Amino acid sequence: AQSVTQLGSHVSVSEGALVLLRCNYSSSVPPYLFWYVQYPNQGLQLLLKYTSAATLVKGINGFEAEFKKSETSFHLTKPSAHMSDAAEYFCAVSVVRAGNMLTFGGGTRLMVKP
Amino acid sequence: DAGVTQSPTHLIKTRGQQVTLRCSPISGHKSVSWYQQVLGQGPQFIFQYYEKEERGRGNFPDRFSARQFPNYSSELNVNALLLGDSALYLCASSRGQGEFAETQYFGPGTRLLVL
Repeated sequence: AQSVTQLGSHVSVSEGALVLLRCNYSSSVPPYLFWYVQYPNQGLQLLLKYTSAATLVKGINGFEAEFKKSETSFHLTKPSAHMSDAAEYFCAVSVVRAGNMLTFGGGTRLMVKP
Repeated sequence: DAGVTQSPTHLIKTRGQQVTLRCSPISGHKSVSWYQQVLGQGPQFIFQYYEKEERGRGNFPDRFSARQFPNYSSELNVNALLLGDSALYLCASSRGQGEFAETQYFGPGTRLLVL
């Protein structure tokens, strides 16, 4: 079975500062990894995904994530935070055998201070 | 193109009642998955349907059931509602079964409150 741990349920940064949201996964087979963002009262929007091609994945809105197998991590970063980045972020994992089943972490709420 | 749509947007039920939630996938998508998101937690997988057949089931009791119609829309049914069933129910669609980590597109969800 696969699992995801997101370290830090709340992260606060100043506008213009680096954003770093942490995600560690556990999987017995090569995983696919995803980051989704959820704005208040909305569904989930895909930011980026790792599918065993390049280990550094670039997504929408200036976000990127790096797959590190040795650390079983897939941390999400953005060089400069914007007020509009304030939202809930979810890391998720899936494996080929499980079809479309996504296993999500508990989420990290990002707050951006002016 | 329209995204994934879900109805109703909000629902209030009492314990013991039954509820049916509906989902229409993106045009051309044949797979629908359902997730439950309890307040303050990440979504949890309930079901996946592909071509009208159940392809995956999460760790939920038999009170939860679903089906997919020939037009690929889907219904999630929950019987004998409990207070703990209060959550945001998310539907996601994708083109295929998900063998190659294809993107799942999520709808806005149905917020269910059980009193």
